[in-house]
Amino acid sequence: QKEVEQNSGPLSVPEGAIASLNCTYSDRGSQSFFWYRQYSGKSPELIMFIYSNGDKEDGRFTAQLNKASQYVSLLIRDSQPSDSATYLCAVNSPPRPGGGADGLTFGKGTHLIIQP
Amino acid sequence: GAVVSQHPSRVICKSGTSVKIECRSLDFQATTMFWYRQFPKQSLMLMATSNEGSKATYEQGVEKDKFLINHASLTLSTLTVTSAHPEDSSFYICSARVGLAYSYEQYFGPGTRLTVT
Repeated sequence: QKEVEQNSGPLSVPEGAIASLNCTYSDRGSQSFFWYRQYSGKSPELIMFIYSNGDKEDGRFTAQLNKASQYVSLLIRDSQPSDSATYLCAVNSPPRPGGGADGLTFGKGTHLIIQP
Repeated sequence: GAVVSQHPSRVICKSGTSVKIECRSLDFQATTMFWYRQFPKQSLMLMATSNEGSKATYEQGVEKDKFLINHASLTLSTLTVTSAHPEDSSFYICSARVGLAYSYEQYFGPGTRLTVT
């Protein structure tokens, strides 16, 4: 059973600070890792993807991957009120023989609140 | 990023009727599209993978005869909810994959909110 775990929050961070979101996954065969942002009533929006161990930076966002620890995180620098949303961690794993569809497994998301 | 559209954005139907939802990749060709369902305050649950020119692959517990998927072209996949019931009311979201296996990006459409009365 593929599992992706996230702290549901809410995580409250003051404006301008760094928000740190964490995610762990159970399948060691996982190859691709994604962070999505979802506003209430809207569909998810892709923020970052990462495939290799280490850090990947894109603007105010940094994704960190540690495959040995089965851990992926997202850092948001200079947090803005508009960053307030639910952040979904998603993991792709190789499809297993006789298994189901080949798609992303999502965590339940972390609700982030940026306080002005 | 790539753009994925869905139509309709919102639909209300009576119990027992069928509803078709369209998913289109607007600026790229998607060999693989995915259909998800999300209930309030829950995460996205993958329903099926739709491959152009072949049958969809369904997740365990998803009735393939109830949720008909057709991937008619590299830019269009449709989900038909047949004989809908109130418990099928949910937020249905499609997504499309760009790139190669394990080196790809996956983009979501805006979603379709289905209410069955």
